[in-house]
Amino acid sequence: NAGVTQTPKFRILKIGQSMTLQCTQDMNHNYMYWYRQDPGMGLKLIYYSVGAGITDKGEVPNGYNVSRSTTEDFPLRLELAAPSQTSVYFCASMAGYNEQFFGPGTRLTVL
Amino acid sequence: AQSVSQHNHHVILSEAASLELGCNYSYGGTVNLFWYVQYPGQHLQLLLKYFSGDPLVKGIKGFEAEFIKSKFSFNLRKPSVQWSDTAEYFCAVCPGNTGGFKTIFGAGTRLFVKA
Repeated sequence: NAGVTQTPKFRILKIGQSMTLQCTQDMNHNYMYWYRQDPGMGLKLIYYSVGAGITDKGEVPNGYNVSRSTTEDFPLRLELAAPSQTSVYFCASMAGYNEQFFGPGTRLTVL
Repeated sequence: AQSVSQHNHHVILSEAASLELGCNYSYGGTVNLFWYVQYPGQHLQLLLKYFSGDPLVKGIKGFEAEFIKSKFSFNLRKPSVQWSDTAEYFCAVCPGNTGGFKTIFGAGTRLFVKA
């Protein structure tokens, strides 16, 4: 099992550009999550999904969008990137009422 | 609102010193409790978890944590730290009233172990 994979590992965007962060899991988990991690701030939940076709907002959804067309994939879309979106983004999945499995992260810089 | 508080943001210890990291949460119902570790440049990994039963749980690499329900606490301990324990540690709570799928993370504690 590869677990949770994320691409790209690093990205630099200019203000106003858009991009999609990819996340795939091969554990057949229903629950998937996107977090951002800023220094000293812990993890903030951006969006989550409880199954294919079902998504919902977390604490900090503004400026982001998600979709969940399959169990495996949960891409995060950034529209009109802003410097405030400079962060490390982690995708995670969970079987249900249990531990979360995290991907390796994407380090995004918006200049 | 439900929250998780980690008492120390930064901890510096010498090798062989004992470690205790505090964690308190604000939720009165059923919870699952976790400690995750993030080594420099890596993603979060599970250190240990508590669901039910013996409130003293043992995890990987000699870590343990004690659930004290009356204090809403889940403190992490290790009798003797090593340089390789340098990492950031996150306490996390999965409250029962979220359907079991939302986890709330603390802000993290950065541990630096001096060789």
